[in-house]
Amino acid sequence: QVTLKESGPGILQPSHTLSLTCSFSGFSLSTYGMGVSWIRQPSGKGLEWLASIWWNGNTYNNPSLKSRLTVSKDTSNNQAFLKVTSVDTADTATYYCAHTRLKLGFDYWGQGVMVTVSS
Amino acid sequence: DVLMTQTPVSLPVSLGGQVSISCRSSQSLVHSDGNTYLHWYLQKPGQSPQLLIYRVSNRFSGVPDRFSGSGSGTDFTLKISRVEPEDLGVYYCLQSTHFPTWTFGGGTKLELK
Repeated sequence: QVTLKESGPGILQPSHTLSLTCSFSGFSLSTYGMGVSWIRQPSGKGLEWLASIWWNGNTYNNPSLKSRLTVSKDTSNNQAFLKVTSVDTADTATYYCAHTRLKLGFDYWGQGVMVTVSS
Repeated sequence: DVLMTQTPVSLPVSLGGQVSISCRSSQSLVHSDGNTYLHWYLQKPGQSPQLLIYRVSNRFSGVPDRFSGSGSGTDFTLKISRVEPEDLGVYYCLQSTHFPTWTFGGGTKLELK
């Protein structure tokens, strides 16, 4: 059974760095074809893919945010991480992590974590 | 960049009725491997999105056969028959053909008339 859960600071100030953790079970990020992706959703708005990290360590970011995003993983502890630098109010959203397979897309999602950027 | 356009934005329905949601891409979603990586999701109120259909027409585990997907190239449709209360929410299409970038459609809200 695949499960994922996001954790983060809840609230942070503009210009700071947002750090999120995705803790998962039911799969290994060292297994061929497996990935974890980050997707966000501002309140009342649509979904935006942010970044993905794959079993082989390859990472890919949304070009619109590319330089601000860093994804990483700790395979032994079944965790994936997302860092977003220089946040502003536009980064206020619910952030999801999702189990990702190339041919199926995002097949299992976490419950999401709300992040508010405010001074 | 691939743009994904969903119509309509809002879709009123009566329980037991049938509806169709359109998703159009700005570029062909046929991959060089011959597959088309177009997927459909439902986000129920207050919940995370859930995968309904992958690769145009394949129902994900546990998805009832009231949901069906079709289409090719740049034009895709999600059909829901015999709509039930648990089908209400926002539907999104997603393309992953143009890997490594993944693009969602803007969403279609299915609500009661």
